[in-house]
Order: sequence, then C-alpha cells, then structure tokens
Amino acid sequence: GQQVMQIPQYQHVQEGEDFTTYCNSSTTLSNIQWYKQRPGGHPVFLIQLVKSGEVKKQKRLTFQFGEAKKNSSLHITATQTTDVGTYFCAGPGNTGKLIFGQGTTLQVKP
Amino acid sequence: AAGVIQSPRHLIKEKRETATLKCYPIPRHDTVYWYQQGPGQDPQFLISFYEKMQSDKGSIPDRFSAQQFSDYHSELNMSSLELGDSALYFCASSRTSSRNTIYFGEGSWLTVV
Repeated sequence: GQQVMQIPQYQHVQEGEDFTTYCNSSTTLSNIQWYKQRPGGHPVFLIQLVKSGEVKKQKRLTFQFGEAKKNSSLHITATQTTDVGTYFCAGPGNTGKLIFGQGTTLQVKP
Repeated sequence: AAGVIQSPRHLIKEKRETATLKCYPIPRHDTVYWYQQGPGQDPQFLISFYEKMQSDKGSIPDRFSAQQFSDYHSELNMSSLELGDSALYFCASSRTSSRNTIYFGEGSWLTVV
C-alpha cells in the first residue's frame, strides 16, 4: 500500500542552527501537507504544497515539493526553542484520508 | 474560528470496558476522520465519514465502531478495551472543496488499566 517515509526520526540542534526533515512517498502525490505537533498537543496544519517544484516560505520555515511530486522537505533556518515538536508530512490516500510520515522530532538546546 | 471539538479530553477505563468518544467537526466541513496515535507514533487512520456515510476504513479493530449523525457529529465506540488501546484519539475534519486540508481536534486521551 501507499507509504510515506520521513527522516530523520529525531534531530537535536543547538539554538540558532538549521534543521531539515525529508519526506518521501511511494506514490506520486496530488499534494503534500505538513503538520507540527507540540509535546502533548495535536497536529496543527502548517502548509499544503500542490504544484511540482513548489517552494513556500513561512518566516524561517521553507517547504519544498519535489519535481516528481513524490518527495518534500521542510527546512527551518536559525532554530528557536519554540520550534520544538514533531513535524509530520502527510499525503492524501484514496478518499482523502491523510497518510502520515513517521514524523521528525526536533529538540532545540538553548 | 471554530475548531474541531472532542470530548472527553481524558478518560480512564478498565480492561474489557467500553468507551465512547465524541467529535464535533468544524461547521460546514463534510468529512470526519478518526486517527489513533500511540506514544511516539504517527497518527494511524481508523475510519472516515463523508456526508454521514462511511467513506474509508483503515486499521480500526473489529471491537471499534463509529458513526456520524445527522448533525455531523461523530462518535467512536470502543468495546472490550485492551491495554494496547491506550492512546491519543484524534478526530479531524475537512471540507472537500479545500483540497482535503485536514484540521485536527485536540484529541482524547484514553488510558486502559
């Protein structure tokens, strides 16, 4: 079945360092979505990418969708302690359900 | 803006008991999803409803059932609870016209003891 893989599983960085998480799908995606989940919280929608090669920015966050629409990345520049959490990518399966990657948990040392 | 409302937020049940979780989707959202998230795991899709009809089924155990009512709220019923059912259960909703952007509720923590 359709799978969404995400690496790395964990990342520890010093505050101010950059961070990147990568997402790969076993199938071509119509779109990809990114969510952030703080410890003890619920997944919060960050962004959706639809077009091949699309790049979107939200302040220090840069999201990319691959040309083949099978991979995506999230890059955070100059991490802050508020960036701590687990970042999930998710692609739509049939009937609209989301298939989540395993998530990348980011820890930021002040 | 209104969000997805889930209740209860926390519940503790004993093995073999039953539990019911409720979900009120964002107004005008036509699809409701249920996800189960174990500790350190990604959310696993259980079941979804579109316009009150079951639209997809994932890794939902036979002991679980769900339905969506005429007012669009949904309930997840879990019977013969097992220790492994302890997890965070999310309800999410979306509007078909919004390219399936899904918005999650804050979740219901179920602990089975």
